Amino acid sequence: QQPVQSPQAVILREGEDAVINCSSSKALYSVHWYRQKHGEAPVFLMILLKGGEQKGHEKISASFNEKKQQSSLYLTASQLSYSGTYFCGTDVMGGYQKVTFGTGTKLQVIP
Amino acid sequence: DGGITQSPKYLFRKEGQNVTLSCEQNLNHDAMYWYRQDPGQGLRLIYYSQIVNDFQKGDIAEGYSVSREKKESFPLTVTSAQKNPTAFYLCASSVVGYGYTFGSGTRLTVV
Repeated sequence: QQPVQSPQAVILREGEDAVINCSSSKALYSVHWYRQKHGEAPVFLMILLKGGEQKGHEKISASFNEKKQQSSLYLTASQLSYSGTYFCGTDVMGGYQKVTFGTGTKLQVIP
Repeated sequence: DGGITQSPKYLFRKEGQNVTLSCEQNLNHDAMYWYRQDPGQGLRLIYYSQIVNDFQKGDIAEGYSVSREKKESFPLTVTSAQKNPTAFYLCASSVVGYGYTFGSGTRLTVV
C-alpha cells in the first residue's frame, strides 16, 4: 500500500523552513527520501533504517518514528535549488528492498 | 563515472507494437528495478531483479516483460498488451542498505 505524504504542495521564501511528512499503514524496515526536478530522474537524499540509523545530507535531515510508521523530512534555510517534488519511499522487507513510493510533495522556493 | 544509462530518451510506439527500453549500469549493483511514472503521480513498480536470471513482478507488471541475462543489463519490453503505455519509465539499481540510483528515464508516447 502506498505511503501517504503531506502536504501535497508548499511554497517557501528563501531561508524559510519546511517539513514534509510520510506515513504508512504497514510496519516498515526503512524509509527513503528522493527529490525530483521537472523532467528529470529522482535523486536519492536519505535513507532511514529500522533501529534509527540515518544516512543523508547535512542541510536536509529526517526522522523515523518506527512505532507510528511515520517519517518527516526537514528542510532548513531553504535555497532556490531545493525546489522540486519530494517523494518518500517505504520498504517493509529490507535486503534488496522493494520500495513503494508516495505521490509526492511539490515544493517551490521563491526569492 | 559510474551510473545508469537508459536509452532511448524519447520513444514513440504505434498501436500493436512491442518496444524495448534499454537499461545498463556499471555500478556493480545486484538489484535493478523498473518504475513507471505518470504525470503528477508517484512511481509504480513494474518489475525488479535481485540477481542474474531471476526477476519478480511488481505492482503493475501486466503488459510488460523483462530479462536479466547479465548483471549490468535489465531491459524492459512494453508489449501490445499494455493498453496505456504512455508514461515516463525509470530504471534504478541499488545495494543493500542504500538508496536507489536512477537512470535519466525514457519518455514513451503512443502515436
